[in-house]
Amino acid sequence: EAGVAQSPRYKIIEKRQSVAFWCNPISGHATLYWYQQILGQGPKLLIQFQNNGVVDDSQLPKDRFSAERLKGVDSTLKIQPAKLEDSAVYLCASSTRLAGGEETQYFGPGTRLLVL
Amino acid sequence: SQQGEEDPQALSIQEGENATMNCSYKTSINNLQWYRQNSGRGLVHLILIRSNEREKHSGRLRVTLDTSKKSSSLLITASRAADTASYFCATDPNFGNEKLTFGTGTRLTIIP
Repeated sequence: EAGVAQSPRYKIIEKRQSVAFWCNPISGHATLYWYQQILGQGPKLLIQFQNNGVVDDSQLPKDRFSAERLKGVDSTLKIQPAKLEDSAVYLCASSTRLAGGEETQYFGPGTRLLVL
Repeated sequence: SQQGEEDPQALSIQEGENATMNCSYKTSINNLQWYRQNSGRGLVHLILIRSNEREKHSGRLRVTLDTSKKSSSLLITASRAADTASYFCATDPNFGNEKLTFGTGTRLTIIP
């Protein structure tokens, strides 16, 4: 089966500019996540969707970050305006339930953002 | 905030040797998962161990879990150059919640 797709793979912008990332999860996966991974750290959850509804956005900086998942499939994450500290890899993941009920996540390749 | 903390932060070993990484966490969990991240790539799920399990094997991987100490270890036996990657533990605190909290990672380098 096709994996999680993300685009673009790389993006360089200047601070105060806007940027958007796109994610297409694995077909049939109801849950979609956006993570921010700063160099040398583990992924930090930004937002979690269940179908087209938000389950958890407690760590999303809502003054500048927004995300949507229209129709419960593709998702976009936007930053407006960007700050230097937003330089990171933005990972999208979708999940499926295992036979025992637990969830395992499948990650896309990520978008590497550099804010100058 | 990061729930798990891996130890060591970085590890270099000769090809063929065994590599052991440790993960400590803070709160109760339903299960703990290990993921691998190759440079410039997304994370790949390796293995899941439930809170009522103590040890699990998958190929060259062996995971242990000690819930009393809130710790887990990942052992990779007979390491290969392709095992060079960062390894993260992730904890799932609530059954069905689906939200994982990742640790800080161990950077493993296999020297050919």
